[in-house]
Amino acid sequence: AQTVTQSQPEMSVQEAETVTLSCTYDTSESDYYLFWYKQPPSRQMILVIRQEAYKQQNATENRFSVNFQKAAKSFSLKISDSQLGDAAMYFCAYRTLTSGTYKYIFGTGTRLKVLA
Amino acid sequence: DAGVIQSPRHEVTEMGQEVTLRCKPISGHDYLFWYRQTMMRGLELLIYFNNNVPIDDSGMPEDRFSAKMPNASFSTLKIQPSEPRDSAVYFCASSFGLGKGHYGYTFGSGTRLTVV
Repeated sequence: AQTVTQSQPEMSVQEAETVTLSCTYDTSESDYYLFWYKQPPSRQMILVIRQEAYKQQNATENRFSVNFQKAAKSFSLKISDSQLGDAAMYFCAYRTLTSGTYKYIFGTGTRLKVLA
Repeated sequence: DAGVIQSPRHEVTEMGQEVTLRCKPISGHDYLFWYRQTMMRGLELLIYFNNNVPIDDSGMPEDRFSAKMPNASFSTLKIQPSEPRDSAVYFCASSFGLGKGHYGYTFGSGTRLTVV
């Protein structure tokens, strides 16, 4: 069974600095999606970035980028030029494409604090 | 589009009462998901629909939980009778397709249910 591990329950970053959130996963499959979702205090889960496993190029969305290491089963999120509005819970999620199930497997989350 | 719309935003009810949570997915999305979020268990998939048809309800915790999707623009999650351990945030999410090109879920803002 697939698992997703976020080993950092909480992280802090100074405004305008860069922070990296870690995510590792375990799977025997070769084709899958990985996602980072942000959950601010407003509670809504917001998609930050998506990576397809068959693509070697790391995904980027403005200040957000990932470091996808398929062999190491690692999928970290880098936030550059951190802003106060980035403060939130961040969830890493895995979704298989090959086993016929459409469940997402979410990590336990990392709470990011942004210090002014 | 206004996104995925859930109502109510908050619900407080007494043990034993019936609770109905509502969701309007994004127009054109053909998949709808119900998730529950708690501190202890994280995000759990309860049930999902494809083209209004329930596909996988293996995550529904008990017979007290039921979900319907009478048409493409409306779904309900009902708990009858409710119990204090049902207290959680319930999310609805929708997506268009789940195969190659899937770009992740769009979540609603959730309903915080408190059963006293």
